[in-house]
Amino acid sequence: ETAVFQTPNYHVTQVGNEVSFNCKQTLGHDTMYWYKQDSKKLLKIMFSYNNKQLIVNETVPRRFSPQSSDKAHLNLRIKSVEPEDSAVYLCASSPGQNTEVFFGKGTRLTVV
Amino acid sequence: GDQVEQSPSALSLHEGTGSALRCNFTTTMRAVQWFRKNSRGSLINLFYLASGTKENGRLKSAFDSKERYSTLHIRDAQLEDSGTYFCAAVTGGYKVVFGSGTRLLVSP
Repeated sequence: ETAVFQTPNYHVTQVGNEVSFNCKQTLGHDTMYWYKQDSKKLLKIMFSYNNKQLIVNETVPRRFSPQSSDKAHLNLRIKSVEPEDSAVYLCASSPGQNTEVFFGKGTRLTVV
Repeated sequence: GDQVEQSPSALSLHEGTGSALRCNFTTTMRAVQWFRKNSRGSLINLFYLASGTKENGRLKSAFDSKERYSTLHIRDAQLEDSGTYFCAAVTGGYKVVFGSGTRLLVSP
C-alpha cells in the first residue's frame, strides 16, 4: 500500500506549456525526491529535499523547479515543457540520509 | 560519477526454477535497495540492506560493500514474479542511484 501519493497519474500537454505535479507523503519522512524515468526506463535522480531544504540538484534544466511547502509535500513545476520532458516522474521519500526510499506510482508526462 | 551495473538485462525462467540478478558498483556504497516494478508500474520495495543477507519468502538478497556488489536470488519462480527488477545503491549523499533493470519473464 503506497504512502507516497502523486497527482496527476497522466498529463498530456503541448510544447511550451507549464505543468505542475504534486507529491505528498504520509510516512512522516524528512527527505523527499523527484526522479525521472526516461524512454529507456532508466531512473535518474533530479532533486532531493531534506526538511524543505534543497540538498541535491542533478544538472536539471532550469525550467524544472521543485517546490516544498512542508516536509510532507514536494511539488515539481516545469515551465515551458519540451518534447524531451516526456517521461515518467517519480516522487519518493525516506526517513533521512542513507535510509530506505519509498516511491509513488509516478506521473506520466507526454509532451506533444 | 557513481555507477551501478545491473545484469542480466533480461531473464526468462520456467516456473519452479531459479536464478540470480547481480549489481556491481563502481564505488563503495552505504546500502542497496531492490525493487520490483509491477504490472501497474509501481515500484515495490523488496529489500533494503546495509550489509549481509536478507530473505523473504522465495527471495534472498546479499550485499557486500567491500566487494562492491549485491545479488538478488529468486527460487521456485512463479508467474506473478514476472516484472522488472531494479537495484538501487545508496550513495551516502541523499541520493539513490539505480541500475538499468532486469526484465524477468516467468513462463509455465
